[in-house]
Amino acid sequence: DTGVSQDPRHKITKRGQNVTFRCDPISEHNRLYWYRQTLGQGPEFLTYFQNEAQLEKSRLLSDRFSAERPKGSFSTLEIQRTEQGDSAMYLCASSLRGGNTEAFFGQGTRLTVV
Amino acid sequence: ILNVEQSPQSLHVQEGDSTNFTCSFPSSNFYALHWYRWETAKSPEALFVMTLNGDEKKKGRISATLNTKEGYSYLYIKGSQPEDSATYLCAFSDNYGQNFVFGPGTRLSVLP
Repeated sequence: DTGVSQDPRHKITKRGQNVTFRCDPISEHNRLYWYRQTLGQGPEFLTYFQNEAQLEKSRLLSDRFSAERPKGSFSTLEIQRTEQGDSAMYLCASSLRGGNTEAFFGQGTRLTVV
Repeated sequence: ILNVEQSPQSLHVQEGDSTNFTCSFPSSNFYALHWYRWETAKSPEALFVMTLNGDEKKKGRISATLNTKEGYSYLYIKGSQPEDSATYLCAFSDNYGQNFVFGPGTRLSVLP
């Protein structure tokens, strides 16, 4: 296990379609985070999991976004009825414990909604 | 909503120059402050995790200090090299969710 992996790396979709991204964290890491990053901004928090439990979800996240982490291993992030404003880099990170341990990031999924 | 700020937004320096950036964060309910380096086409990479007021950390030519009472951290790069060119992100974690809230980053370009 060499790190956090995300799939796909790039996704182009038409407005209104649903998309799903996958994140495989480092195997012993309990925490898994999803972030969204747009040009010129830092990563914006979306949600995070402690094992399989989703502990926090950003108030900025609309109902079109949902995330799961079944069995506390990999996670999926689904966006329904995509909009052009959803175009961004979606980053996944994992950490061994909470906020005082370093997070390891995947290379992200670049979503373009046309 | 927690607010984490970084300055400057971008910076151009000559090879060999030393430089520093600032991260400002809420001074209440502090839990941890992280610094990351994000090179183009790569994943953000952790530089430091700092938890105690007065912490100073060093890794090679890069060092960081932390002041939790006034809510700021400095990142220093001594003798900048072109390979230091990247976006430097800080992330704040509070006592509640222990989530990471990122600043917008400082984009450093080191010119040879």
